[in-house]
Amino acid sequence: GAVVSQHPSRVICKSGTSVKIECRSLDFQATTMFWYRQFPKQSLMLMATSNEGSKATYEQGVEKDKFLINHASLTLSTLTVTSAHPEDSSFYICSASRSPSGNTIYFGEGSWLTVV
Amino acid sequence: GESVGLHLPTLSVQEGDNSIINCAYSNSASDYFIWYKQESGKGPQFIIDIRSNMDKRQGQRVTVLLNKTVKHLSLQIAATQPGDSAVYFCAETGTASKLTFGTGTRLQVTL
Repeated sequence: GAVVSQHPSRVICKSGTSVKIECRSLDFQATTMFWYRQFPKQSLMLMATSNEGSKATYEQGVEKDKFLINHASLTLSTLTVTSAHPEDSSFYICSASRSPSGNTIYFGEGSWLTVV
Repeated sequence: GESVGLHLPTLSVQEGDNSIINCAYSNSASDYFIWYKQESGKGPQFIIDIRSNMDKRQGQRVTVLLNKTVKHLSLQIAATQPGDSAVYFCAETGTASKLTFGTGTRLQVTL
């Protein structure tokens, strides 16, 4: 069964509104989670590293004020897309590491965001 | 910057044949490599991994080969089945859990 859960799996929002996506590790604690974005027929691009209890680390070119990440507990990280625009429509995927060494990595099922 | 890339964007294979998907990486510091399978609309699914101190690893119907000299990784699928149709990504990491993905190869299995 899934060990990393994302919610919602699909969401449609209007331009200018904000939408929150949750990523949960179901049976383990994850001090670090990762958020990826995937456009159709493209690869996964790392957006940011979510660290429990501290600020997220964003990849170059990713607007931290637009993509708010909160990692409030060892089992939950959230990604909030603020003031969404149609070009933000994408597949957002999170991952979490099960071990301190980071080499047992699990991915969520992804969240489809459509901004209309 | 560092990158991981794939040679073939689409691979068409007849059912029952073996499939070979290739990947080139450029970060010589990478020490852990993973192959993922992604079906349409779903998150990546782990297939097999290999560390840089190995050159071959086998799983069930899958084998990963690593050639560090030329920075090349391949995934071999034996007796390819229709259910193997998907996009396959290689990924590498040199630091804990932070993956860099290749561009992906779509595997099409024909009957």
